[in-house]
Amino acid sequence: QVQLQQWGAGLLKPSETLSLTCAVYGASFSDYQWRWIRQSPGKGLEWIGDIHHTGTSSSNPSLQSRVTILFGASKNQFSLRLNSVTATDTAVYFCARVTIFHSMDVWGKGTTVTVSS
Amino acid sequence: EIVLTQSPGTLSLSPGERATLFCRASQSITSNYLAWYQQKLGQAPRLLVYGASSRATGIPDRFSGSGSGTDFTLTISRLEPEDFAVYYCQHYVTFGGGTRVEIK
Repeated sequence: QVQLQQWGAGLLKPSETLSLTCAVYGASFSDYQWRWIRQSPGKGLEWIGDIHHTGTSSSNPSLQSRVTILFGASKNQFSLRLNSVTATDTAVYFCARVTIFHSMDVWGKGTTVTVSS
Repeated sequence: EIVLTQSPGTLSLSPGERATLFCRASQSITSNYLAWYQQKLGQAPRLLVYGASSRATGIPDRFSGSGSGTDFTLTISRLEPEDFAVYYCQHYVTFGGGTRVEIK
């Protein structure tokens, strides 16, 4: 059974860097693309960025200058860094697996990140 | 940039009724990459349908997807109590704004 386990700091001050990690269990990391998505309170879903097993990454143009998506410390992990956070970055952040149909079939449980002074 | 518009915003129905949810793309899109998700409060979205009409693993057959070009539909044939939730369509990295299915 494929599982994504995610973790990271949940409370940040403005201007700090958001850092989240997602670990993949039960699936080959190299067979898929991996994604970060966020959901602001009471709002819809927003694509943050992707990383391919080759290391190629892409990100939402609206966040691109602040986003880094990279492999984690272990070979089955990937991470998100979002620098210079503001209150508008307050959201639940999800990691997910992307299929060949570009749908997301496995999701992490989500990490609530609050940015507040 | 493709925009996905979902309608209605809210659907008020009773258990046992049929639900029809719509997703319209601002331009013609590849059906292969149109997906539907269900999200309950406090949970991650769950993939229901991919490729516009293929049910994901473990999804009951009361859920069905259809459509092509710019117009796509998710149908729940008979609403069960656990189906009251928010539903999103998605194409590549774009999401629709969601339809809330609530108990009437």
